[in-house]
Amino acid sequence: KNEVEQSPQNLTAQEGEFITINCSYSVGISALHWLQQHPGGGIVSLFMLSSGKKKHGRLIATINIQEKHSSLHITASHPRDSAVYICAVWSNYQLIWGAGTKLIIKP
Amino acid sequence: KAGVTQTPRYLIKTRGQQVTLSCSPISGHRSVSWYQQTPGQGLQFLFEYFSETQRNKGNFPGRFSGRQFSNSRSEMNVSTLELGDSALYLCASSFEGRRETQYFGPGTRLLVL
Repeated sequence: KNEVEQSPQNLTAQEGEFITINCSYSVGISALHWLQQHPGGGIVSLFMLSSGKKKHGRLIATINIQEKHSSLHITASHPRDSAVYICAVWSNYQLIWGAGTKLIIKP
Repeated sequence: KAGVTQTPRYLIKTRGQQVTLSCSPISGHRSVSWYQQTPGQGLQFLFEYFSETQRNKGNFPGRFSGRQFSNSRSEMNVSTLELGDSALYLCASSFEGRRETQYFGPGTRLLVL
């Protein structure tokens, strides 16, 4: 079993829909990252969380440390949000990565 | 401040050759980590360098090695390349007081033929 599990693996939605991507982990962590990767390969850090909730524009990330679970939400989704979203946890001084969720937003 | 830079951006090699990739961290960042991304295995941690010393290491064979220079620039070397080494290699730098906050470079895409 992977230490970081993401769901769904793939998600296709219509523009404007509310999107939720989930991440569960089984190791002790000091922080959890949500990152975005576009087809060119570059990775952009969206959020780093150790507790609670963070919001940036249309993106919201939450974490429940007791349940070892985090969610990334996108409100009013737009085709430019199409990308791979990756959850990674900081554990034992290294990042352990989820497999990513490929999100496609159709106009 | 300039971001993390990686060179080259793209590389094609043949099996058995060796390759060296370079990463220049953000100014003031002394920690550099390397990651490999393949379609089958996803992103995996290779190693971390700090103050010219390898501080942490992932589960990769000895063909994968690295080093860090006094200016914090880091190189990663892969010897005796295999087809399975084809991947995107990402490096990330961080400030020592905040190792968990990593800034990623654009990556080097390596194709092994």
